[in-house]
Amino acid sequence: AAGVIQSPRHLIKEKRETATLKCYPIPRHDTVYWYQQGPGQDPQFLISFYEKMQSDKGSIPDRFSAQQFSDYHSELNMSSLELGDSALYFCASSSGTGGSEQYFGPGTRLTVT
Amino acid sequence: GIQVEQSPPDLILQEGANSTLRCNFSDSVNNLQWFHQNPWGQLINLFYIPSGTKQNGRLSATTVATERYSLLYISSSQTTDSGVYFCAVELGDSGAGSYQLTFGKGTKLSVIP
Repeated sequence: AAGVIQSPRHLIKEKRETATLKCYPIPRHDTVYWYQQGPGQDPQFLISFYEKMQSDKGSIPDRFSAQQFSDYHSELNMSSLELGDSALYFCASSSGTGGSEQYFGPGTRLTVT
Repeated sequence: GIQVEQSPPDLILQEGANSTLRCNFSDSVNNLQWFHQNPWGQLINLFYIPSGTKQNGRLSATTVATERYSLLYISSSQTTDSGVYFCAVELGDSGAGSYQLTFGKGTKLSVIP
């Protein structure tokens, strides 16, 4: 069965650079979620989209922005990167919203030097 | 926000032993999921279990929604079961468009030969 695809899988950036993470949800899934997991931490919700509209916002820095495109893929844009942004970034997708099972991608490991 | 507490925080098992992991949550939930994060960082969906009991091979889970807890049972543990087990919940009365998962701190399981 098709899973959530994330690219790139690994990314190394320097401070103050920008990064773009991509997420391709499971086919026919209309909702995408982004989570950030710092070293030794649990995943924290950043932002979600349902039918290409932002549906919820968590602890996402103002330096980050995201969108969902007409083909339902999503991109997380991160600017003015800081050392503290080094983390695993997960994308998840679901069919529908409330109470729906979320399926997680393999994650993008971002290292900021 | 909703509180999710997992216990124990760390667990060391001899291969072949059984174990029970617990997840307590502070409010009614629409969704509860158990994940296994392997040493490579991937989050593997184990169970979608907002209520009731499910089994998948050596793993089973039970959620008692009225008492706000869920249990994950691992039987005949293997070294490949090592990793961090997360419980994550979606708040029940979250309002329109708010379907984020809130994770517990996880249980770190080490299975030794």
